[in-house]
Formats: sequence, C-alpha cells, structure tokens
Amino acid sequence: DSGVTQTPKHLITATGQRVTLRCSPRSGDLSVYWYQQSLDQGLQFLIQYYNGEERAKGNILERFSAQQFPDLHSELNLSSLELGDSALYFCASSRTPREAWEQYFGPGTRLTVT
Amino acid sequence: QKEVEQDPGPLSVPEGAIVSLNCTYSNSAFQYFMWYRQYSRKGPELLMYTYSSGNKEDGRFTAQVDKSSKYISLFIRDSQPSDSATYLCAGTMNRDDKIIFGKGTRLHILP
Repeated sequence: DSGVTQTPKHLITATGQRVTLRCSPRSGDLSVYWYQQSLDQGLQFLIQYYNGEERAKGNILERFSAQQFPDLHSELNLSSLELGDSALYFCASSRTPREAWEQYFGPGTRLTVT
Repeated sequence: QKEVEQDPGPLSVPEGAIVSLNCTYSNSAFQYFMWYRQYSRKGPELLMYTYSSGNKEDGRFTAQVDKSSKYISLFIRDSQPSDSATYLCAGTMNRDDKIIFGKGTRLHILP
C-alpha cells in the first residue's frame, strides 16, 4: 500500500458526460501528479500540482482540468467525455517537486466511457 | 520515435532463471532512470532508480544504465512467480522534471 488513495475505483459513464476523480496523497507529500494509462499510449503524464498551485502540464486535453485543495487532496475533472478517454487514471505524490523522481502511485480509477 | 521504448513482451521464463529487461531512450539529457513494477490492476511502484551511468544493486535486482548507448537494463536474479508483473522503465532530465515512461514489458515467471 503506497499511502495514496483514489476514488472511485471504477467509473462507467456515457459520452458527453463529466466526471470527477479524487486523490489523496501520502501523508506529508505536497506534490500531486495525474497520469493516464492506456494500452496504446502507455503511462502519460497529465498535470502536476504543488502546494495548491499548478506546476507542470503534460499531455492534458483542454476538456480536462485539475485542482489541488488546501488539504492537499486533488481532483481531476474530465468533461465532454469521448470513447477514447476510457483508460486508467493514476494519481501519484512526492514529498516535494525535487523528489519527482520518487513518486508513489495510487491504485488508479478505471474509467469506461460507453 | 518515442522517448523511451521497451519490448512489450510477454516474456516468459522459468522460476529461478535470470531475467533481463531492457529499454532504449532517445533524450540524451536524461540523467535519472527508474524502474517501476506494476501488478495487474494496481498502480506502478518504484523498484529502483539510478543516476547517470552505472550499476545499482538491491537484493535480487540490478539496474544498469549505459548513457553512451542510451540503454537501460534491469536484471532479476533467482526469479520468483511473484515477480510476474509489468515492468516500466522511465527517465527524467532533472530531479524535479516530468518522468517519461516506456509502455512496459509484461513478465511471466513460470513455476
């Protein structure tokens, strides 16, 4: 158990809908990362937050957004969902951005868009 | 060309054998290299990391980086059925930079 929690574990929704994925980092970790994992693309970095502020962006679509709250939990919002958004979404955390190489991953949320 | 490439496998080896997992990368600015292990339906977990070229050993696992050839390897000695998982190699330029992952190699250790 990495100490990173994610809810829900599974999500099934229809195209065009909006969903929110939630992540709580390990105790003491200030930096949160979101990833998308699919069979064809592998694990792709989406976005990073540090102490409530956006710090780095990866291959995140404009339909997707995230935020980190004062208690350091983070939410990833996915809107206008398409079939191709079906994937595993992982949250990871590290103590600070300087320890980005040492990330601890949550169990993931499996999103299925029908 | 993807920045980090690895053979997807599956790679099947008998229990007790030495396993060799390999990756190549294209970004010569990478300085930190990691291996993550991912069990089915779980999140990736950091197995080992190395800085620059060289070897690093941790129990049955040895990570090796050759920056001159842009080649990353992970060796598993005395492989166990519990080592069956997908192994992701990764690289990053700096300690605080985003990590670029390979797509992973599926490994099956046969009892």
